[in-house]
Amino acid sequence: QVQLQQSGPGLVKPSQTLSLTCAISGDNVSSNNTAWNWIRQSPSRGLEWLGRTYYRSKWYNDYALSVKSRITINLDTSKNQLSLQLHSVTPEDTAVYYCAREQWLAYFNYWGQGTLVTVSS
Amino acid sequence: DIQMTQSPSSLSASVGDRVTITCQASQDISNYLNWYQQKPGKAPKLLIYDASNLETGVPSRFSGSGSGTDFTFTISSLQPEDIATYYCQQYDNLPRTFGPGTKVDIK
Repeated sequence: QVQLQQSGPGLVKPSQTLSLTCAISGDNVSSNNTAWNWIRQSPSRGLEWLGRTYYRSKWYNDYALSVKSRITINLDTSKNQLSLQLHSVTPEDTAVYYCAREQWLAYFNYWGQGTLVTVSS
Repeated sequence: DIQMTQSPSSLSASVGDRVTITCQASQDISNYLNWYQQKPGKAPKLLIYDASNLETGVPSRFSGSGSGTDFTFTISSLQPEDIATYYCQQYDNLPRTFGPGTKVDIK
C-alpha cells in the first residue's frame, strides 16, 4: 500500500533553509492521477497548503502565494523522494509539516506522519 | 483565496448522539469539498470526498451533503473512537484551503 515516510531536522535557525524529505513507496509517483503536496499546520494558521508537484507529460509545480518567493518542491523519481525547501525562515514558519498524496487533484488520501519543525535560534 | 468557515468550533455529545457540523465556503465550490478527521498527534484522515462520497473503509455512520457554498457533515451515532477534530477542505481553486476545524468530544 502507499506509504509516505518523512524525515528532516526538527530545529532550524531563523534566516536559514528548512529542508524536509518524504519517501514514497507503493505508488507510481509519475501517475497521471496523483499530485504530491506539502501542507503545514500550526495553532495560529491552522492547516495551510504550501504547494505541490505532479506529472502530466511533464512536471508541474503549484505554490501558495504566501510562500511562493521562497519555496521549492521537487520530486526525485530515481529515489521516489519528495522534497521541500523553505528559505529564509522565521519563527512564523514553526509548524508541523506534512507531505500528502492528492488523488485526481482533488482529495488528500495519503499523508506522511508529520514533522514538527521549530524555527528558533 | 476561498475562505472556509465551520461551526461549531467545538461540541460535546453523548455516545450514540447524532452530531452535525456545518462548513461554508466564501464562494460557490460546487461539490468540491472534502472532510477529514484528525486525532491528536496524527495526520488528518480522509473521510468524505466530493461532498458526499464515503472513502473506502470509513464507517457508514459518517456522511456528508451539500453543494454550492453550504455543506454538512454528520456522524449518525457518535462513538468513543470518533473523538477528534474534523476539517472541511475545498478543491475548487488553488490554494487548497481548509476550515478551522470542529473539535468533537464526549459529554
